[in-house]
Amino acid sequence: QSALTQPASVSGSPGQSITISCTGGNSDVGGYNYVSWYQQHPGKAPKLIIFDVTYRPSGVSNRFSGSKSGNTASLTISGLQAEDEADYYCNSYTSINTRVFGGGTKLTVL
Amino acid sequence: EVQLLESGGGLVQPGGSLRLSCTASGFTFTNYALGWVRQAPGKGLEWVSCISSSGDRTNYADSVRGRFTISRDNYKNTLFLQVNSLRAEDTATYYCAKSLTSGVADFDYWGQGTLVTVSS
Repeated sequence: QSALTQPASVSGSPGQSITISCTGGNSDVGGYNYVSWYQQHPGKAPKLIIFDVTYRPSGVSNRFSGSKSGNTASLTISGLQAEDEADYYCNSYTSINTRVFGGGTKLTVL
Repeated sequence: EVQLLESGGGLVQPGGSLRLSCTASGFTFTNYALGWVRQAPGKGLEWVSCISSSGDRTNYADSVRGRFTISRDNYKNTLFLQVNSLRAEDTATYYCAKSLTSGVADFDYWGQGTLVTVSS
């Protein structure tokens, strides 16, 4: 159950788009369409923003989108806003019926 | 409104035990799996455990298997995590969360967390 691999940090200017990658293996990301993404602001509980690779929960902005190719999933945030500055974590179902998180990516809006 | 309220955290010595609780409201408790996710101070999220809606299936991360036990009381709408043989590396905020489904799935609602500190 090794953590999925994410970049430690990404940054972008307001209005731009950014993409955060999440790399795993055949026993997690690559093996199932059960990848999700969570947003966490400092001192707050995580918030689910993408599930099952591409689906957004009700109330989540359509500026957030997810995709997957092979063993790598991606989160794209378009039209960056100051409020998007947060930590982002990917998560995947695994072959042993557990879930595993990525190490997290800090998004800075310049 | 879905609400999850954790309790039971605190300071405990290495090797000690605690029982974390999570009281839920605002949804049909018996329809959904529940789980625990922890976050060490300044670190990332770690999936800990999940229990099915009926309580008959449980899953654990390798790091806690054999030391932690998840359970639920479907009459009292309460989730539990018994944490034994605690180590310094178990120090973290423990979040209770509601699953999207009756089994192992993503968590769509989270509590605010309860802090467990393992130190002598």
